[in-house]
Amino acid sequence: KAGVTQTPRYLIKTRGQQVTLSCSPISGHRSVSWYQQTPGQGLQFLFEYFSETQRNKGNFPGRFSGRQFSNSRSEMNVSTLELGDSALYLCASSGRQNPNTGELFFGEGSRLTVL
Amino acid sequence: GEDVEQSLFLSVREGDSSVINCTYTDSSSTYLYWYKQEPGAGLQLLTYIFSNMDMKQDQRLTVLLNKKDKHLSLRIADTQTGDSAIYFCAESTFSGGYNKLIFGAGTRLAVHP
Repeated sequence: KAGVTQTPRYLIKTRGQQVTLSCSPISGHRSVSWYQQTPGQGLQFLFEYFSETQRNKGNFPGRFSGRQFSNSRSEMNVSTLELGDSALYLCASSGRQNPNTGELFFGEGSRLTVL
Repeated sequence: GEDVEQSLFLSVREGDSSVINCTYTDSSSTYLYWYKQEPGAGLQLLTYIFSNMDMKQDQRLTVLLNKKDKHLSLRIADTQTGDSAIYFCAESTFSGGYNKLIFGAGTRLAVHP
């Protein structure tokens, strides 16, 4: 069974640009969560999707958005990039309807550098 | 508010026990987790404990939960160099109709000979 796949693994952008990151969950998993990981802040919850609906959202500005497709693949978008957006973005999938009552399966992340 | 705190670094000698500590704020958390992140990789679940338990043991891992003090610890017996990684504590908290996970900043464990 393939794991959670995130693309791209690494990318470099400049301030003001926008970026789209992709996540393919484990086959059969319908819940996808996104986290931002930075050395100073640790893991910060961005949002969670289930069956194409955003069910939960963290405390991030509206520049951060996401969506989920009917095949459970998810994308997140960051517009008007700032230097502080440089981070490792992690996607996690769950086979449970309530993803936080069991194991989350994480991808290896997309490392974004904003210059 | 929601907050999970951990010390940032821990250095131990190979063969010794490691104890990683964590405090959390949501007394209604039903699940508490320990995840491990190796270099260049995503997080992997190590173990979890239900809030109605005081202790859980799984091979070299022992989790202790003190609900009164909202304190969680992870003990790794006979620590090996392969245990070098970042360990994240997380609590499951109820928000907006669903649970979400709040992670600590992670404890970097360095194992030296």
